[in-house]
Amino acid sequence: QKEVEQNSGPLSVPEGAIASLNCTYSDRGSQSFFWYRQYSGKSPELIMSIYSNGDKEDGRFTAQLNKASQYVSLLIRDSQPSDSATYLCAVMWGGADGLTFGKGTHLIIQP
Amino acid sequence: DTAVSQTPKYLVTQMGNDKSIKCEQNLGHDTMYWYKQDSKKFLKIMFSYNNKELIINETVPNRFSPKSPDKAHLNLHINSLELGDSAVYFCASSRWGGMNTEAFFGQGTRLTVV
Repeated sequence: QKEVEQNSGPLSVPEGAIASLNCTYSDRGSQSFFWYRQYSGKSPELIMSIYSNGDKEDGRFTAQLNKASQYVSLLIRDSQPSDSATYLCAVMWGGADGLTFGKGTHLIIQP
Repeated sequence: DTAVSQTPKYLVTQMGNDKSIKCEQNLGHDTMYWYKQDSKKFLKIMFSYNNKELIINETVPNRFSPKSPDKAHLNLHINSLELGDSAVYFCASSRWGGMNTEAFFGQGTRLTVV
């Protein structure tokens, strides 16, 4: 069974600090990894994608992938109140398998 | 110009009715999906279509049937609606396989069965 695990939180981080979100997945055959942000009542919005081991940076966001440990993380630098949302880790096992999502981490940035 | 659009945004209906949700994408993707987000906010895939052929059919009741007239459209038909079908349904699209398989989501349809 392909599973994606996240700590549901809430994770509370002071404004300006680094928020660190973590995710583990069950199947070593996973090929593609994504982080989505979802505000209450809205659709998931793609934040980052990562396909190979290492770090990938985009503005204030850094995704990290370690396939040996089956671990994906998202760092948000200089956290802003507008970053408060649920962050969904998603894994694709290839082809048109679709995304398997974790249950999401609720992030709260405290002003 | 909306990339993935679905209609309606809200749908309230009585048990036993039949309803449809429409989805269209203008991203040129060849794979489209339907996801269900339940009351606990867990997002789970229901179906995916690649080049008008069903690729995945998860353990979804056969009251749910996806229909794709072309690769830019994937509609969801639901027969004999039940209270437990109340949820938010998201359409999404992506490229098939390899790299750059990011999926983009529509705005969602909140279905309430009363």
